Amino acid sequence: EVQLVESGGGLIQPGGSLRLSCAASGFTFRIYGINWVRQAPGKGLEWVSYIGSSGSTIKYADSVMGRFTVSRDNAKNSLYLQMNSLRAEDTAVYYCARDGYGGYHFDYWGQGTLVTVSS
Amino acid sequence: QSALTQPASVSGSPGQSITISCTGTSSDVGGYNYVSWYQQHPGKAPKLIIYDVTNRPSGVSNRFSGSKSGNTASLTISGLQAEDEADYYCSSYTSSSSRVFGGGTKLTVL
Repeated sequence: EVQLVESGGGLIQPGGSLRLSCAASGFTFRIYGINWVRQAPGKGLEWVSYIGSSGSTIKYADSVMGRFTVSRDNAKNSLYLQMNSLRAEDTAVYYCARDGYGGYHFDYWGQGTLVTVSS
Repeated sequence: QSALTQPASVSGSPGQSITISCTGTSSDVGGYNYVSWYQQHPGKAPKLIIYDVTNRPSGVSNRFSGSKSGNTASLTISGLQAEDEADYYCSSYTSSSSRVFGGGTKLTVL
């Protein structure tokens, strides 16, 4: 069974940093691209970042470019999102979502981890 | 990258059919057959229901179907059921190799 489990969320002050993790199981992690998608409270989905299977291809949304860094450790079946210079508008549930193999759709999602940026 | 445009809400009675539109540009929806749709119930993670415009993942009801014409994609749900009441989001691959979502549509089953 494919599973994605996010962790690392919490309450952080504006300007602070946080590192999210996504632990994957039930599939061959090293051959899949993975995304981060967030959802502010009561709002819609926003794509945040993508990392390719080997980690050599990385993309970011304009809203997080220069502040967030995505990485992965294929030996540990894990994905990470380092978030720096956090703002109130970064408050959201953060999901990791697997790309369908060879595709551009999110076929499996984690349950999400809540990040709250507030003083 | 601007969000794709979806109606904020749609409604229908049990047994009826509804269609949700998703309008983008030639740089996303119109330029690629990589439109996908997601169903999200309150407090839950989104679930993939349509990918590559028309394809249904295994286990998704055939009451869900997708199509595209020009820069507008559509999701049709036939034979509405109470459990279909949820938020629905479209997504597309873009010319900048990123992804973009629609603003979401709340479906109410009357």
